[in-house]
Amino acid sequence: EPEVTQTPSHQVTQMGQEVILRCVPISNHLYFYWYRQILGQKVEFLVSFYNNEISEKSEIFDDQFSVERPDGSNFTLKIRSTKLEDSAMYFCASNRGQGITEAFFGQGTRLTVV
Amino acid sequence: DQQVKQNSPSLSVQEGRISILNCDYTNSMFDYFLWYKKYPAEGPTFLISISSIKDKNEDGRFTVFLNKSAKHLSLHIVPSQPGDSAVYFCAARFGYGQNFVFGPGTRLSVLP
Repeated sequence: EPEVTQTPSHQVTQMGQEVILRCVPISNHLYFYWYRQILGQKVEFLVSFYNNEISEKSEIFDDQFSVERPDGSNFTLKIRSTKLEDSAMYFCASNRGQGITEAFFGQGTRLTVV
Repeated sequence: DQQVKQNSPSLSVQEGRISILNCDYTNSMFDYFLWYKKYPAEGPTFLISISSIKDKNEDGRFTVFLNKSAKHLSLHIVPSQPGDSAVYFCAARFGYGQNFVFGPGTRLSVLP
């Protein structure tokens, strides 16, 4: 069964450093998403990406964040200058279309900012 | 921000019995609701959804009920199985897209 894969599973970075989280969505999916879950808190939507541009983003997704689909398979989330409060589990998700509401999630990348 | 609430952080049920997970929301604009299940070290997995034009949706052992006037939805699992033990998230949105607001989750334990 096709699945969304994320690498790495755990990333430790120093405050102020740039970090790139990587995702390979399911191959025939067209919409890609990032969510995060701070430890002990809710899952929060960050951004939707379609046709090589951001289609929707939340208040959390400020100028420190960017997304990119650098090739036909990868989808990345970049945090330019990490802060301690960026420590969270980051989930990538994808689906086939905007009218299809359920998304398939990856297993997550745990980002720890020290 | 408490737009979506799941007031029971945990629930224990005997195998074979019914599990009822509850979710309340405050934003009357929400028109689409999802339930996700999450096992440790995995991402959320979609379970079932319901649109605000319906009051019930059923898929096998899972049924979601929506009471719009009470701004309340519930997920019924019957019969419950040990493999159902997971954290269950309720999520809601209005309009289109994936900007769902998630609840904090309820940890379900199904005891053999």
